[in-house]
Amino acid sequence: GENVEQHPSTLSVQEGDSAVIKCTYSDSASNYFPWYKQELGKRPQLIIDIRSNVGEKKDQRIAVTLNKTAKHFSLHITETQPEDSAVYFCAASPPVPTNAGKSTFGDGTTLTVKP
Amino acid sequence: SQTIHQWPATLVQPVGSPLSLECTVEGTSNPNLYWYRQAAGRGLQLLFYSVGIGQISSEVPQNLSASRPQDRQFILSSKKLLLSDSGFYLCAWRGKGGKEQYFGPGTRLTVT
Repeated sequence: GENVEQHPSTLSVQEGDSAVIKCTYSDSASNYFPWYKQELGKRPQLIIDIRSNVGEKKDQRIAVTLNKTAKHFSLHITETQPEDSAVYFCAASPPVPTNAGKSTFGDGTTLTVKP
Repeated sequence: SQTIHQWPATLVQPVGSPLSLECTVEGTSNPNLYWYRQAAGRGLQLLFYSVGIGQISSEVPQNLSASRPQDRQFILSSKKLLLSDSGFYLCAWRGKGGKEQYFGPGTRLTVT
């Protein structure tokens, strides 16, 4: 089955700096890679995603890059703000008919942005 | 638009008591449904998933079970809770033709 590894497990940055979280996956059939942000006590919220036919996607201060050959993808947050502090999860998903479209999640990265 | 509900929001139950958590989805039909558990400070563990009414697949052996009596209803149950069942239970859905997966608000279960 799919295996997703996420690094680092904790990340602390100064406000205004950039933060980068990296994930690797093992199953070449995975074609959809979402990122979720989970604030304390709340549900994971989808913040950005990328599909396998795209190498990079950007939404304001957040960007995701995908290297299908190397099977890794990354989340980039620029100009970090204290409200970016949360746990971030990456995931890899096959097309929905395959394996019921189950997403495999990384173990999460706790991001702390210091004011 | 689609909405996913879970209840109750919080629950405190003694060891050995039964459990029933409910999840319903609105605004979509024939979704894939998933139950996850998240222990404190940990990642997301997939417990069960369902591709249709009455179709349940289990990811990990345990004392929990799941059922899908209606297209947009997903229930997580236990006959006798263990201390290790404590956690944050999240229901999620994903459309058959879509990519995105969305989570419900979750149920925080404490077994005492």
